[in-house]
Amino acid sequence: VQLVESGGGLVKPGRSLRLSCAASGFSFSDFHMSWIRQASGKGLEWVSFISSAGTTIHYADSVKGRFTISRDNAKNSLYLQMNSLRDDDTAVYYCARDQENFDYWGQGTLVTVSS
Amino acid sequence: QSVLTQPPSVSAAPGQRVTISCSGSASTDGRNYLSWYQQFPGTAPKLLIYANNKRPSGIPDRFSGSKSGTSATLGITGLQTGDEADYYCATWDYSLNSWVFGGGTKVTVL
Repeated sequence: VQLVESGGGLVKPGRSLRLSCAASGFSFSDFHMSWIRQASGKGLEWVSFISSAGTTIHYADSVKGRFTISRDNAKNSLYLQMNSLRDDDTAVYYCARDQENFDYWGQGTLVTVSS
Repeated sequence: QSVLTQPPSVSAAPGQRVTISCSGSASTDGRNYLSWYQQFPGTAPKLLIYANNKRPSGIPDRFSGSKSGTSATLGITGLQTGDEADYYCATWDYSLNSWVFGGGTKVTVL
């Protein structure tokens, strides 16, 4: 099982960024997925969940209305579209396989929101 | 708003046992969603315990989990210097439709 995030970087407040997570080594379409983030020196914060077929989606209150999770099972890929970014969105973003626990995690991608 | 509360830090000498508590008010709907994660600096978290007390393949039996009511405990026996890390509990809250993480506990081996 391998999860590889990409798309992080430095972005100004109010701008947008799209993260990707490439999955391999398992049947991606059979598993739910989540995004989890961690600000520097802080704890883990769950961001969003998407069911295996993409039919059920949940967001943390802190990102609701600004972030959109999606997946392309044909491409074994998970996405996080982040709009209206704020300073407090600065964090390492992890994708994780979600099956009533997070059994596999990616290495993370750093998103820095700063003017 | 559900919260999982962990002590910020625990410490013990090599070979000793430590326990980390995780107490909270999450609406788990009676299901076994409580899991524990180990994280070393600069690396991704790793699943340590799932469904309250089950260990994934490859996790030594020095690590154990238990849950009673709204409190859970992670135990580490035979403490080793390589166990120095941050540990997080997490559970799915059915009423909020969200995952909740504890604030994390730093384990120090004296």
